[in-house]
Amino acid sequence: NAGVTQTPKFRILKIGQSMTLQCTQDMNHNYMYWYRQDPGMGLKLIYYSVGAGITDKGEVPNGYNVSRSTTEDFPLRLELAAPSQTSVYFCASRVEGNSPLHFGNGTRLTVT
Amino acid sequence: AQSVTQLGSHVSVSEGALVLLRCNYSSSVPPYLFWYVQYPNQGLQLLLKYTSAATLVKGINGFEAEFKKSETSFHLTKPSAHMSDAAEYFCAVTNYGGSQGNLIFGKGTKLSVKP
Repeated sequence: NAGVTQTPKFRILKIGQSMTLQCTQDMNHNYMYWYRQDPGMGLKLIYYSVGAGITDKGEVPNGYNVSRSTTEDFPLRLELAAPSQTSVYFCASRVEGNSPLHFGNGTRLTVT
Repeated sequence: AQSVTQLGSHVSVSEGALVLLRCNYSSSVPPYLFWYVQYPNQGLQLLLKYTSAATLVKGINGFEAEFKKSETSFHLTKPSAHMSDAAEYFCAVTNYGGSQGNLIFGKGTKLSVKP
């Protein structure tokens, strides 16, 4: 059972470049989330989805986009990378609203 | 609105000593509370959760937490620290008014264990 899988593990982008962070889960969870983690700041919610075809903004959505065409996959897209997007990104899923979150191992992104 | 405050960004204990990591929450409704642990270069793992069934919650690796409504606290404890407990710990509360049960996280407490 792989759980939540994120790729890539590390990435360096130049300012203005684009990339997609991949997230897939094999637990048939309806709820999926993208967080970013910055030192000393905890985790902030970027986008979330409650099922295939349904997405919504979280606390810090600017500069990001998501899609949810299947239950398993929830990619995060950065269109024009900026240094402020240097962070560690975590994808998470849960079976329903009050159940624990299951996290991937993160993608460490540096924008220079 | 819900919020979480973790007191102390760094806590250092000796091996075998008591571990106490503090978490206070704010919630207008009965909260669902969680403690997560993050080891270096890994994602967050669930330590324990409070869902109103019992005020003293036991988790993995010998950790436990007590829900105290009068103090709006959910402190994490372990009687005897082990070197392997060195990690960052996050307290979280369910955000009922927001994004479909999204968790609101505290800023984290980094635990160091001295030999």
